[in-house]
Amino acid sequence: DAGVIQSPRHEVTEMGQEVTLRCKPISGHNSLFWYRQTMMRGLELLIYFNNNVPIDDSGMPEDRFSAKMPNASFSTLKIQPSEPRDSAVYFCASLRDSNNEQFFGPGTRLTVL
Amino acid sequence: SQQGEEDPQALSIQEGENATMNCSYKTSINNLQWYRQNSGRGLVHLILIRSNEREKHSGRLRVTLDTSKKSSSLLITASRAADTASYFCATDATGYSTLTFGKGTMLLVSP
Repeated sequence: DAGVIQSPRHEVTEMGQEVTLRCKPISGHNSLFWYRQTMMRGLELLIYFNNNVPIDDSGMPEDRFSAKMPNASFSTLKIQPSEPRDSAVYFCASLRDSNNEQFFGPGTRLTVL
Repeated sequence: SQQGEEDPQALSIQEGENATMNCSYKTSINNLQWYRQNSGRGLVHLILIRSNEREKHSGRLRVTLDTSKKSSSLLITASRAADTASYFCATDATGYSTLTFGKGTMLLVSP
């Protein structure tokens, strides 16, 4: 199994630009999570999908952030417009309902200049 | 806000020594999990302990859970240089597998 796949691995953009992060969960996993990690705030849950449906998006910082999961094998996290304070590592994780272990992707390091 | 708080924030030991990390949390939980993160990588699940369990072992790892004190500890025995990483505790308080992570303990194991 390839594990959770995220792209891109690194993204550098300028303030005001749109950023789209992508995630492919492990096949057969029906829960997907987006996290953000910074030195100041640690690892924060942004949004959680179950069977492609957003269940908890209370961690999404503001309306500039949106996430979709059009099918069981793909999810996107979009930031529009991006700001320097969005600079962080964004992780996607997936989970099979019968097992509470979350499998993390390698992350996308986002830098907004 | 962070549910789990790890202690110490950083730990430096020699190979062969044991490493103990502690985690405290604030609310009732369904389970508590420990993850490891190597520099620049994603998190890797180490072990899960449920709220009705008190101790669990996995290889060189030993986890304890004291729900009355809302605390957990992770013991790594006979540490190796390859154990150098950050270790996070994460609590599942909702039953829906959403985890709240602490800020982690940075462990450095010197050869």
